[in-house]
Amino acid sequence: KNEVEQSPQNLTAQEGEFITINCSYSVGISALHWLQQHPGGGIVSLFMLSSGKKKHGRLIATINIQEKHSSLHITASHPRDSAVYICAVRPYNNNDMRFGAGTRLTVKP
Amino acid sequence: DAGITQSPRHKVTETGTPVTLRCHQTENHRYMYWYRQDPGHGLRLIHYSYGVKDTDKGEVSDGYSVSRSKTEDFLLTLESATSSQTSVYFCASDGGSYNEQFFGPGTRLTVL
Repeated sequence: KNEVEQSPQNLTAQEGEFITINCSYSVGISALHWLQQHPGGGIVSLFMLSSGKKKHGRLIATINIQEKHSSLHITASHPRDSAVYICAVRPYNNNDMRFGAGTRLTVKP
Repeated sequence: DAGITQSPRHKVTETGTPVTLRCHQTENHRYMYWYRQDPGHGLRLIHYSYGVKDTDKGEVSDGYSVSRSKTEDFLLTLESATSSQTSVYFCASDGGSYNEQFFGPGTRLTVL
């Protein structure tokens, strides 16, 4: 079983819809990261969380440390949000990262 | 964005040949990482470095070696490339556990 599980694997939405991507993990962590990868493109860090909630533009990320769960929300989705979203965690006392398999989001106009 | 570059960006090589990929960062980050990304597997850690000449193995280190002689450079070597090492390789760097990780643009390696 992967240490980091994401759901759904694939998500198709209409422009303007509210999107939620979920991430569950099974190890104790120092931080959780949400990353974005456009088709054929590089990987960009969206958020790093160790508690609570962060907001950047139309993107919101939350984390519940006790439940080992994080969510990434996109409000008023747009076709340019189409990408793979990756959840990653950094375990305690460890400098490596463990990655989820990613969620492929397609937003249709 | 952090300045992380990778070279080459694309490479085609033959089975059994040695290959070295280079990662260069200008952020004076202490930690550097090499990942591979394959369909169905997501990103997997190959090796990482926590300082000059300090490296450790990751999840998929077999067949790979690394070196870090300067803070800014982290080299990944495939001593004798195999077709199973065909992948996209990403380098990353950060300042430690509570810091954002920055990724290079990736290197697409094909081993024939």
